[in-house]
Amino acid sequence: KNEVEQSPQNLTAQEGEFITINCSYSVGISALHWLQQHPGGGIVSLFMLSSGKKKHGRLIATINIQEKHSSLHITASHPRDSAVYICAVPPYSGGGADGLTFGKGTHLIIQP
Amino acid sequence: DAGVTQSPTHLIKTRGQQVTLRCSPISGHKSVSWYQQVLGQGPQFIFQYYEKEERGRGNFPDRFSARQFPNYSSELNVNALLLGDSALYLCASSWKGEDYGYTFGSGTRLTVV
Repeated sequence: KNEVEQSPQNLTAQEGEFITINCSYSVGISALHWLQQHPGGGIVSLFMLSSGKKKHGRLIATINIQEKHSSLHITASHPRDSAVYICAVPPYSGGGADGLTFGKGTHLIIQP
Repeated sequence: DAGVTQSPTHLIKTRGQQVTLRCSPISGHKSVSWYQQVLGQGPQFIFQYYEKEERGRGNFPDRFSARQFPNYSSELNVNALLLGDSALYLCASSWKGEDYGYTFGSGTRLTVV
C-alpha cells in the first residue's frame, strides 16, 4: 500500500515569500492530488496531476513520476494562503476503488 | 452548479447512539466516497460507491455502513457510537471515482460525548 510523506509538517513564512511543499510516495501511481484545507474543515481540490507541471494563479504543482515525488509551490505568498496543504494518492499502483491515501499535511502560516 | 453538499454541518451525539450523515454529489457525478478525519490527522478512506454499488471499503468496523441512492446521493450510517468516532466526516464526489478528479464537501463535524 502506498505510503505518503510530506515535508515540512509546519511552515511559517513572511508575506511575499516563495513557498515549497514536498510530497513523496512509495508506489507508482497514475495521478496525484494536492488539496487545501482551511481551519473548520472543508477540503478544496487544487490540482490533480499525472505528469509534468500545472499552474493555477500563484500555485504551481510539479510531479516526477520516476522519482515518486511532487512539489507544490506558492509564489508571492499571502496571509490568505494560510491553510493545511495535503498530498493524496491512490493506495495502489492500479488505482482501484479504495479511495485516496492522504499525507499528514503541511500546516502553512503566512505572516503579514 | 452547487458543489458537494453535506448535512448536517455539525452534530453532537451520545455514546451508543446511531447517526446518519448525508451527501449530495455534484450534478453528473456518479461516484461518492466517504472519509473520516480525526483532529490532527489526514483523512482516512471509509467507503466508495459508484452507480449505487459499493466499490471499495476502508479498514473500518461493521458499525459503519453506507448506501447510494438512484439520484447518486449517499448516506453514511454509524451505529453504537464511540468517543473515538468524533471526527470530521468528508464526502467527495467524482464522475467515476478512482483516478478521476474529486470534489470535496465541507464535511460534517461529529462530536460524540
